[in-house]
Amino acid sequence: GAGVSQTPSNKVTEKGKYVELRCDPISGHTALYWYRQSLGQGPEFLIYFQGTGAADDSGLPNDRFFAVRPEGSVSTLKIQRTERGDSAVYLCASSLTRTLNIKNIQYFGAGTRLSVL
Amino acid sequence: AQSVAQPEDQVNVAEGNPLTVKCTYSVSGNPYLFWYVQYPNRGLQFLLKYITGDNLVKGSYGFEAEFNKSQTSFHLKKPSALVSDSALYFCAVSMYSGGGADGLTFGKGTHLIIQP
Repeated sequence: GAGVSQTPSNKVTEKGKYVELRCDPISGHTALYWYRQSLGQGPEFLIYFQGTGAADDSGLPNDRFFAVRPEGSVSTLKIQRTERGDSAVYLCASSLTRTLNIKNIQYFGAGTRLSVL
Repeated sequence: AQSVAQPEDQVNVAEGNPLTVKCTYSVSGNPYLFWYVQYPNRGLQFLLKYITGDNLVKGSYGFEAEFNKSQTSFHLKKPSALVSDSALYFCAVSMYSGGGADGLTFGKGTHLIIQP
């Protein structure tokens, strides 16, 4: 279909609550990446998947953050016991593979704006 | 650890003039360099990338960038700016390890403002 789809586009929650953010990558893309963009900053890498497995989760800030991709397509980023500092735009990207070549690039979704009150 | 610096928070250029948005990087190995553009309330859009080969890379919308290994720079350029080029520009670097690319490391971004 079209590009990378992220839902919801906006999420407002209260401190301490649990949230799930969804990413639907471009059909056929095997690599999927999550980033977090705080106000006035560039995106910050969180985790990426190759297929169903998390190939690198070194960017997750702490154990309150977790992501899954059970069938190798849609991914969900889960945040437990949300804190005000988690407020940011969460971006998802997908690419055909992880291979670096001229044709393979990361395509980004519009993001989910998370506000923790 | 790899890092990217975009030394200018904002660049102002008159329409029709050439533009340059600066980027320098720091990596321990061979870098793979990217430029993305972000319009308000929209996702990042890919402009161009350097993997290997010619140091001058041409991308979308008439943009180009020059890889300079000795100066560890990858500045974005365009010969003649358009008002529609006004947006937030991000430089990014990736390392290639094992089976493929790691996540991108981005700079803080540079606001490009083209004045009519």
